[in-house]
Amino acid sequence: DVKVTQSSRYLVKRTGEKVFLECVQDMDHENMFWYRQDPGLGLRLIYFSYDVKMKEKGDIPEGYSVSREKKERFSLILESASTNQTSMYLCASSLTATNEKLFFGSGTQLSVL
Amino acid sequence: DQQVKQNSPSLSAQEGRISILNCDYTNSMFDYFLWYKKYPAEGPTFLISISSIKDKNEDGRFTVFLNKSAKHLSLHIVPSQPGDSAVYFCAASAPIGETSGSRLTFGEGTQLTVNP
Repeated sequence: DVKVTQSSRYLVKRTGEKVFLECVQDMDHENMFWYRQDPGLGLRLIYFSYDVKMKEKGDIPEGYSVSREKKERFSLILESASTNQTSMYLCASSLTATNEKLFFGSGTQLSVL
Repeated sequence: DQQVKQNSPSLSAQEGRISILNCDYTNSMFDYFLWYKKYPAEGPTFLISISSIKDKNEDGRFTVFLNKSAKHLSLHIVPSQPGDSAVYFCAASAPIGETSGSRLTFGEGTQLTVNP
């Protein structure tokens, strides 16, 4: 089975801090994604990557950046955390660019105070 | 602009009966549709999908119906079980380029509660 591992289950940060959310997948998937889940808004795509060192903006990239130095690892960076970035963050991967079936991690609940 | 909408935030059903979850979309470029299920404290997991060339796909107790003219899809669960209680997300896919492949747009989710 594919495993997508997010480094933290819960995080509490202060406004203005730089925050790193890490995600690792173990099945050699090409595509990796970062979503945030908010009540009443569903899952919204922040950034995705279809290859090492490649990245594409999703629907809500403002305030975020990403890094993909290795195929298995995709990091989400909040340069200066704000309270409106309090959310559940979900990392996902898929085998190929045209394989829409995503495998998700368990999520990181981030609270920015 | 919400391209994929699940108008019911919550739904209740009785064990053994049918549960029907609905989803509407607006983008005519969507060509592949999926349902994901999410339990608390877990990530969403893939449940069932359907291509736009079909109007029905069945997998055990789960059936997805697609009505392209109405831009509507539905998930039927028969018979419903208490373990089906979860949030269900509808998602739709449109191609975005040869190298970038496709990407999913998700609905808001519907919380299904199946009562014993």
